[in-house]
Amino acid sequence: AQTVTQSQPEMSVQEAETVTLSCTYDTSESNYYLFWYKQPPSRQMILVIRQEAYKQQNATENRFSVNFQKAAKSFSLKISDSQLGDTAMYFCAFMKHVALLGNEKLTFGTGTRLTIIP
Amino acid sequence: DAGVIQSPRHEVTEMGQEVTLRCKPISGHDYLFWYRQTMMRGLELLIYFNNNVPIDDSGMPEDRFSAKMPNASFSTLKIQPSEPRDSAVYFCASTLGTGTPQAKNIQYFGAGTRLSVL
Repeated sequence: AQTVTQSQPEMSVQEAETVTLSCTYDTSESNYYLFWYKQPPSRQMILVIRQEAYKQQNATENRFSVNFQKAAKSFSLKISDSQLGDTAMYFCAFMKHVALLGNEKLTFGTGTRLTIIP
Repeated sequence: DAGVIQSPRHEVTEMGQEVTLRCKPISGHDYLFWYRQTMMRGLELLIYFNNNVPIDDSGMPEDRFSAKMPNASFSTLKIQPSEPRDSAVYFCASTLGTGTPQAKNIQYFGAGTRLSVL
């Protein structure tokens, strides 16, 4: 079974600064996907960024980027030029690749509550 | 597209009553997932469907829970009888099992149903 660990329950940073959220995972799978989801106070789960394990290049989406270290089983999220709208719970999630099915369940970490201070 | 639609947004009921949660996935998506979010257990998968067929229901807590997907555009999660420990936010998510690598494996979530069992 897979496990996902987020060791920072809460973080806060000043607006416009850069912040990095940590995530580690444990799996025996060689092919999988990693995700960061954002859950603002509205409760909606919103995809921030996705990384395929077979890709060495780190994924980026505008101000959001990841540092994927496959050997260390680490997947951190960096938010640059943080904005008030980034205030939310952030969940790291793992999905193993299943060739025939094509999809599988997401296994989530416990989340990091990020507050952007004006 | 309107996204994944869940109803009701909030549900308050008394212990012992039957509760039905509803989900309309994104049109064309062939996978549907039901997750539950609680403070104690975080986000966990209850069940998921592929082409309306249940694939993995190992997360369903007990026989009081049942889920159906009678067609590609509708799913229900039923709790009968409900208990206070069922109080949680229930999310539905859908995704594509085919298509471009960019489209596959990304689960899109509804806004969730907050269930309170008194």
